[in-house]
Amino acid sequence: GAGVSQSPRYKVAKRGQDVALRCDPISGHVSLFWYQQALGQGPEFLTYFQNEAQLDKSGLPSDRFFAERPEGSVSTLKIQRTQQEDSAVYLCASSSYSGGGDTQYFGPGTRLTVL
Amino acid sequence: AQSVTQPDIHITVSEGASLELRCNYSYGATPYLFWYVQSPGQGLQLLLKYFSGDTLVQGIKGFEAEFKRSQSSFNLRKPSVHWSDAAEYFCAVGLRDDKIIFGKGTRLHILP
Repeated sequence: GAGVSQSPRYKVAKRGQDVALRCDPISGHVSLFWYQQALGQGPEFLTYFQNEAQLDKSGLPSDRFFAERPEGSVSTLKIQRTQQEDSAVYLCASSSYSGGGDTQYFGPGTRLTVL
Repeated sequence: AQSVTQPDIHITVSEGASLELRCNYSYGATPYLFWYVQSPGQGLQLLLKYFSGDTLVQGIKGFEAEFKRSQSSFNLRKPSVHWSDAAEYFCAVGLRDDKIIFGKGTRLHILP
């Protein structure tokens, strides 16, 4: 389909490992967002791109988290030296323009479990 | 600070009964408001959104929501629920800088 896709869908990592989570937004969408959803909680904002520019990374919980979108399309969220508290579902969303309040379309998420 | 409160963690209704899920927000400016639904293993699906204008908003799957500025509320309603409506529902406020702040969600259970 033409929706937002994320890979892998499930990732199990040992504590201390690095992981990379991929997001393919809807083609042509300018804005891309990453959210973290802990068990039993609502999604929480991590970071936001407009094309290739990372305009807001205020939600990244530590400097172990890094996101990029080098060509303004696919984005990767990288977590270095994973900790158990990083276990969560990581959601990616995209929207067609940057204008505040535009509908964000979400992918199915990547469930990360850190052992 | 901006926030969204969904006071009910779980709601159980019988199939065919009416539904109202509560949502209150805190935001200094005129808000953009959303309701999303999340089924197990699925991503978030937009049910409806309020930007401006008519305070009663119609969405997909027979849902509607009413924006009440005086109460800072945006409650979701459906006149008759179906078993397939069982899911987690998230109210959210959209900020001018494109962020969305979500509530903690309400899990809806349907009795046959």
